Amino acid sequence: IQLTQSPSFLSASVGDRVTITCRASQGISSYLVWYQQRVGKAPKLLIYAASTLQSGVPSRFSGSGSGTEFTLTISSLQPEDFATYYCQQFNSYPYSFGQGTKLEIK
Amino acid sequence: EEQLVESGGGLVQPGGSLRLSCAASGFTFRSYEMNWVRQAPGKGLEWVSDISTSGTTARYADSVKGRFTISRDNAKNSLYLQMNGLGADDTAVYYCARRGIAAAGRWFDPWGQGTLVTVSS
Repeated sequence: IQLTQSPSFLSASVGDRVTITCRASQGISSYLVWYQQRVGKAPKLLIYAASTLQSGVPSRFSGSGSGTEFTLTISSLQPEDFATYYCQQFNSYPYSFGQGTKLEIK
Repeated sequence: EEQLVESGGGLVQPGGSLRLSCAASGFTFRSYEMNWVRQAPGKGLEWVSDISTSGTTARYADSVKGRFTISRDNAKNSLYLQMNGLGADDTAVYYCARRGIAAAGRWFDPWGQGTLVTVSS
């Protein structure tokens, strides 16, 4: 299953609302996860089952979707949110990732 | 605190072998499926392999099948990745990651800090 994220690069300002899309090449129900990866760090789980916020993750992060189209929304960007975001599917092996979306400060 | 710490990375020549280790602490290791994920320099994430709680079932990405072997020692709370026939395309940071509990736990958390494997002559 191929996951395609859009956009691959996103420039935004603190306080902006941003949305990242992840499209699957075939239906994956709600078996989609979002991670945040800061430079030089391991990925951090943000959202699982497409829309469930991981404990400790700020409520400005939200996820939605099912089937083949999913979105990650950050309602009001904070300085610490500038990072790369990845989606991953758990519908079937291999557990593929999207190519990533790099969120940069405008 | 739940923690995963990888070790064993380094510089290896093409065609060589390396064994990575991942030490787990702060949780009941034997209850969780475990995974290896890698990230080539400047690139995205690639799932490599996973192993069942008992160690009897393992799965691999096509890119490493037949060359890499995942294993675990539940008595030592440790996960391993034996890598043989290494090539330049295997150069990456290798992360170990815990899958969520049971079949419903379809996510990876936590992740280790990663260990860098460089394949070069």
